[in-house]
Amino acid sequence: EVQLVESGGGLVQPGGSLRLSCAASGFTFSSYGMNWVRQAPGKGLEWVSYISSGSTSIYYADSVEGRFTISRDNAKNSLYLLMNSLRGEDTAVYYCARGLMGRFTPNWFDPWGQGTLVTVSS
Amino acid sequence: EIVLTQSPGTLSLSPGERATLSCWASQSVSSSSLAWYQQKPGQAPRLLIYGASNRATGIPDRFSGSGSGTDFTLTISRLEPEDFAVYFCQQYGSSITFGQGARLEI
Repeated sequence: EVQLVESGGGLVQPGGSLRLSCAASGFTFSSYGMNWVRQAPGKGLEWVSYISSGSTSIYYADSVEGRFTISRDNAKNSLYLLMNSLRGEDTAVYYCARGLMGRFTPNWFDPWGQGTLVTVSS
Repeated sequence: EIVLTQSPGTLSLSPGERATLSCWASQSVSSSSLAWYQQKPGQAPRLLIYGASNRATGIPDRFSGSGSGTDFTLTISRLEPEDFAVYFCQQYGSSITFGQGARLEI
């Protein structure tokens, strides 16, 4: 069974940093592009970042470019999101979501993890 | 940026009825690069449709997608109680954007 389990969320002050992790199992992690997608409380979905299987292609939403860094460790079947200079509008549930095999751009997302809540507040 | 607008915002129907949800794009979505997701309270979204009309693995055939260019539709032929949820469309033809969501309620 394909599983994605996020961790690392919590309460952080504005301007602070946080690192999210996503542990993958049940599939060949090193073959798939991966994404982070977020959802502010009671709001819609916003794609955050994408990384290709070999980390050669990386993309960010304009809203996080320069503040967030996506990375992966294929030996550990893990995806990461380092978030710096956090703002109140970054408060959201952050989902890890699998992309496609053999592609270098984000497409559709399947499956998704259960999400981890990041709250940015003083 | 391609803006996706979903309508109606809320659709009230009964089990057994047919549901039609629309997703309108501000620009043409290349290669029918459109997906649909279902989200229930407290759960992550689940992929239903990709490529505008292809059902994802394990999705019942009462769910169908259609459309191209700027107009896309998700149809649920006969509503089951578990289908009442929020539905999002997403385009991946030019970066990634989502619609604002549409609530399907009993």
